[in-house]
Formats: sequence, structure tokens, C-alpha cells
Amino acid sequence: DAKTTQPNSMESNEEEPVHLPCNHSTISGTDYIHWYRQLPSQGPEYVIHGLTSNVNNRMASLAIAEDRKSSTLILHRATLRDAAVYYCILRPYNTDKLIFGTGTRLQVFP
Amino acid sequence: EPEVTQTPSHQVTQMGQEVILRCVPISNHLYFYWYRQILGQKVEFLVSFYNNEISEKSEIFDDQFSVERPDGSNFTLKIRSTKLEDSAMYFCASKQTAMNTEAFFGQGTRLTVV
Repeated sequence: DAKTTQPNSMESNEEEPVHLPCNHSTISGTDYIHWYRQLPSQGPEYVIHGLTSNVNNRMASLAIAEDRKSSTLILHRATLRDAAVYYCILRPYNTDKLIFGTGTRLQVFP
Repeated sequence: EPEVTQTPSHQVTQMGQEVILRCVPISNHLYFYWYRQILGQKVEFLVSFYNNEISEKSEIFDDQFSVERPDGSNFTLKIRSTKLEDSAMYFCASKQTAMNTEAFFGQGTRLTVV
């Protein structure tokens, strides 16, 4: 399974943008980039996914580097509810299992 | 908003006992999954299930584990003879189609084996 590298933790203040980086230098051409998050004491929650182009949805934006070896999840205005562990996951096209790493623990301060 | 429901939220069982964890996936979803998370560790894939059969399973999912969709609405995970190391949070997830890449997870069942 292709590996992702994320910082262990990040901090943000409420209402500020947050950029969560992910390195995936061994990504293959058919790996999708997924982001999930896990709020305290809850199951994982889908955030966003992409393949090559940048993506936007109501929760976040995903910026994918041109060479696809890294990506950045962007929360435009962090809220206290965004405090969670954020997982960057590579999913090969021929499987739908998700391989979770250790993720980035995001703390949001009022 | 539709959600995946898991019961019970917490189950305590004695080592060696059989346990069944129950999940009600979102009603029009066709792909079902179990994951587990040992306290303080990563979320781990166990098994995927489609069209009444296992489509993929991990090394963790040995002969002690089985899954079933007994009545078209529930999706269950059975552990035949629980071990202390089976203590974990177990998450059920479902997806609408194979091409739909958003998996919806339940709140989990905390299994404690004593």
C-alpha cells in the first residue's frame, strides 16, 4: 500500500484557514487521494477526495500538486467543531478498503 | 440525514464467549465494511462485503470472525471465541455503489473482553 506522511499535530485559531499537508511520494497513477477525519469518540467521517485536479466541497478544499506527490487539505475557516484527527489516505482504483495512518491531530483554539 | 447505526454502543464479554456486533447500514447502500480501532491505535480494515459475500478481507479477519447480512437490513460481525486482544472499537461502514467513494461510518461499538 502506498504510504502517506502527515505531521502528527497542528494548531489553529478559530475562524482562521488551516492547511493540512500530506506527502505521498510513492503514489501511483491510479491512486485516489482521500481525506477523512475522526472527531473525538466518533467514527471516521468523509471529508473530500480527488485524483488529479483540485476539488472543493462544502466542508473543505483539496489542493493536489501537479506531480501528485503531495496534497493539502484546506479548511477555509476553522471552527471548534473541526478539532479532530485528519487522515490522508491513498486508495488504489481496484480496491475500496481504506488504509488509515496515524493522521494529523488538529487543535482549534477559540 | 441518513446514518449508519450500530448496536450496542458498548459490549462487555468474557474471554472465550461469542459476540455479535450489529449494524444497520444506510438503506440504499450495497457495500458494507467493518473496521476496528484498538485504543490509541490506527483504524484498521477488517472486511468488505457485497452481494452477500466477502469481497476483501485483511489478515486480522481470521476464522474467528464472520460477517452476515441476515435479513436485508442488518449487517453483523461475529467473533466466535473472543480474546483479550479483540478489545477495540468496531466501526461499521457502508457505501451506495462501488463508484461512490464516500463511505459512511457508524458511531462504533466498544467491545471490552475481560
